[in-house]
Amino acid sequence: KAGVTQTPRYLIKTRGQQVTLSCSPISGHRSVSWYQQTPGQGLQFLFEYFSETQRNKGNFPGRFSGRQFSNSRSEMNVSTLELGDSALYLCASSSQPTGGSYEQYFGPGTRLTVT
Amino acid sequence: AQRVTQPEKLLSVFKGAPVELKCNYSYSGSPELFWYVQYSRQRLQLLLRHISRESIKGFTADLNKGETSFHLKKPFAQEEDSAMYYCALSGVEGGSEKLVFGKGTKLTVNP
Repeated sequence: KAGVTQTPRYLIKTRGQQVTLSCSPISGHRSVSWYQQTPGQGLQFLFEYFSETQRNKGNFPGRFSGRQFSNSRSEMNVSTLELGDSALYLCASSSQPTGGSYEQYFGPGTRLTVT
Repeated sequence: AQRVTQPEKLLSVFKGAPVELKCNYSYSGSPELFWYVQYSRQRLQLLLRHISRESIKGFTADLNKGETSFHLKKPFAQEEDSAMYYCALSGVEGGSEKLVFGKGTKLTVNP
């Protein structure tokens, strides 16, 4: 089975711009979660989608949004980029939604740099 | 609030020595706990989960509800165990279920 894929792998944007990141989960997985990883804050949960519905959301401003398509692929959008949004964005997929002991499978991440 | 604390940012041991990576959590309910590992230039991956009570690559972790801890242990460390280790808790907070990670411990096993 192919693993979780994320595109693009690297991205450089300017303050004020917006960006869209994409995640393709493992085939058959319907849950996709997004995380932001920074040296200072570590891994922080952004949101989770399951069967095209946002199930859970972390403590991030409304500039961070996402969606999931019928094929379970997910996109994350960040509008009005700020310097502090520079981070590694990780996507993880699972066969079941968060809340149990199901394993999450992580992608390689998208490295976003905001200048 | 859900919180996971890994007090050691860095941990260095010699090959063959025992290793213990500490994890403490704060959660009002019954937690689901995990250890994830990231080897150099590889993806973050699950190492073990408490519910399975399994030993993976010689590592074990016991949930101690009294001490709210889930420390990861291995009796004899190997050089290939060098990696970044993250403790994680799955629970509900503010009506939202999420996986909360500690900030990680970088383990270095010296020859």
